[in-house]
Formats: sequence, C-alpha cells, structure tokens
Amino acid sequence: GENVEQHPSTLSVQEGDSAVIKCTYSDSASNYFPWYKQELGKRPQLIIDIRSNVGEKKDQRIAVTLNKTAKHFSLHITETQPEDSAVYFCAVYSGNTGKLIFGQGTTLQVKP
Amino acid sequence: NAGVTQTPKFRILKIGQSMTLQCTQDMNHNYMYWYRQDPGMGLKLIYYSVGAGITDKGEVPNGYNVSRSTTEDFPLRLELAAPSQTSVYFCASSRWGQTEKLFFGSGTQLSVL
Repeated sequence: GENVEQHPSTLSVQEGDSAVIKCTYSDSASNYFPWYKQELGKRPQLIIDIRSNVGEKKDQRIAVTLNKTAKHFSLHITETQPEDSAVYFCAVYSGNTGKLIFGQGTTLQVKP
Repeated sequence: NAGVTQTPKFRILKIGQSMTLQCTQDMNHNYMYWYRQDPGMGLKLIYYSVGAGITDKGEVPNGYNVSRSTTEDFPLRLELAAPSQTSVYFCASSRWGQTEKLFFGSGTQLSVL
C-alpha cells in the first residue's frame, strides 16, 4: 500500500523566517496531495492542496510544490507568524484506492 | 448545515468494555471514514465506506467494526476495549466527484484504562 514519509517531525523557526516541510510517497498512481493544519485539540483543517498535473500552487504566504518524478512534495510557509504554530500533516490520495493516507506530522513552532 | 458531528467528545472505558462512537453528516456525502490519531502521530485510516451498505478496511481495522445502514450515519464499534485503542478518533466524509476533499468531525477522545 501507499507509504507516506514526512520530515522533519519538529521544526522551530523565528518569526518572519520561512519554513519548509517535505513529504515523500510511494504510489505513482497518487494524484492529489493536500496539506492539513491541526491546532491543539482541534480537527485537521485543509490549508492548501495540489493535483498531479500541477507543479506548484500558491496561496498568500503558503505554497506547495510537487515533483512527480521524484515522488515528493513540499509545503512552504513564508514570513512565518506565531499563529502558524501548529502540527502540519501532508496526505496522499490515490484514485485507484480511494484512500487518503497521512504523513506522521510536523510540529511547527514559530518563536516571536 | 452542521457538517460532520461526532459523539461523544470524551469517553473513558475500562479494559474489555464495549462502546460505539457515533458519526453523522448532513451533507449527503457518499464517502465516510474513520481515522485514529495517536499522540504525536498522523492519522491512520481504520475503516471507510463508499455508500450505504458498503464498508471496507483501512490501515488499522483490527479491534473495530463499522456499519453503514444509511447515508448519514457511520458508527464505529469497539467490542473489547484495550489500552492500545486509547486515541483520538476522527470521522470524516466526502462527496462523490470530490472524494479526496475530506470534511472532518471535531473528534472523540477515548481513553481505555
């Protein structure tokens, strides 16, 4: 089955710096790659996603890049703010299996 | 629209007890899912359903059962609770044509002692 690896598991940055989180996957049939943000005690919230026919997508300070050949995709957060502190999860969806498989999560701490 | 509603929000069970986690959605979504999230970990798929009467196993189905008698409801059953089932459980749903876009419930925190 699909295997999703996410790195790093924790990330600490100064306010205003950039943060990058990377995920790799194994199933070449995967075609949808969302990123979720989860604040403490809350449900995961979709923050950005990308489909396999697109290489990059940006939404204000957040961007996602996809390299299908290498089977990895990354979340980029620029000009980080303390409210960006949360756990971020990547996920991979395959139309063949109909399942969304999650990475292990990255705890991002933005220090003021 | 309430979206995806889970009950209860918190529960403590003794080893060997059984319980049902309830999940209902009012968006007429065909697809429904149960995930568990252990502390500091990602979400693991327990079971999912593509429509009423159809269910299938996910990554970690052992110790759980599900049923889908209606489009709206997707209860998760724990028959013999074990400490390893201490976790936060999330129900989610998605609609036909956008099955990859999941809407999550607020979660059920379960402790088995």
